[in-house]
Amino acid sequence: SQQGEEDPQALSIQEGENATMNCSYKTSINNLQWYRQNSGRGLVHLILIRSNEREKHSGRLRVTLDTSKKSSSLLITASRAADTASYFCATDEGTSGSRLTFGEGTQLTVNP
Amino acid sequence: GAVVSQHPSWVICKSGTSVKIECRSLDFQATTMFWYRQFPKQSLMLMATSNEGSKATYEQGVEKDKFLINHASLTLSTLTVTSAHPEDSSFYICSAREEELFFGEGSRLTVL
Repeated sequence: SQQGEEDPQALSIQEGENATMNCSYKTSINNLQWYRQNSGRGLVHLILIRSNEREKHSGRLRVTLDTSKKSSSLLITASRAADTASYFCATDEGTSGSRLTFGEGTQLTVNP
Repeated sequence: GAVVSQHPSWVICKSGTSVKIECRSLDFQATTMFWYRQFPKQSLMLMATSNEGSKATYEQGVEKDKFLINHASLTLSTLTVTSAHPEDSSFYICSAREEELFFGEGSRLTVL
């Protein structure tokens, strides 16, 4: 198992439905971040949640963090076809504050 | 927001040649930049941390003589894939930190 495992690996839903992706990690972290990547493109930062936070919202995104279970979830509400992308969690463990360890990612497909 | 630019976006080269990829922070200075490698349908793997004015720090298993990193200024880091082989074909992504970590759009290298 690797730091930042995600499930499911692939998720296919209909437009308007909610999408939930989960991420688990193994070590202590400073923060956990979620990124989005469209096929063949760079990463777009979605949201950062610090280790002392439990929940955070940004628009249609809701992120939770459970440090006791070393897990996080990303919920996208009222999904749109344009949300189709790969979603990665990344954990920041160290003192550098920028050395991220990425999960394997969840490929989300939102069908119109 | 802050922008990180990579060039080229796509490059095709012959086996045995060297390829240079540039990563620029466009509107901020970055003493540290990060280089990642991503194989198809896989996650990002950190290759090295590029430090302005000093040697890069390579992750375990990454050949420093194969992947030369030069961080000559506060806005530019370069990754040179030397004597490229088909197995070096991959998507290379850089990142740089202002308050948060910003990623370039990536450079797809195909070695024939």
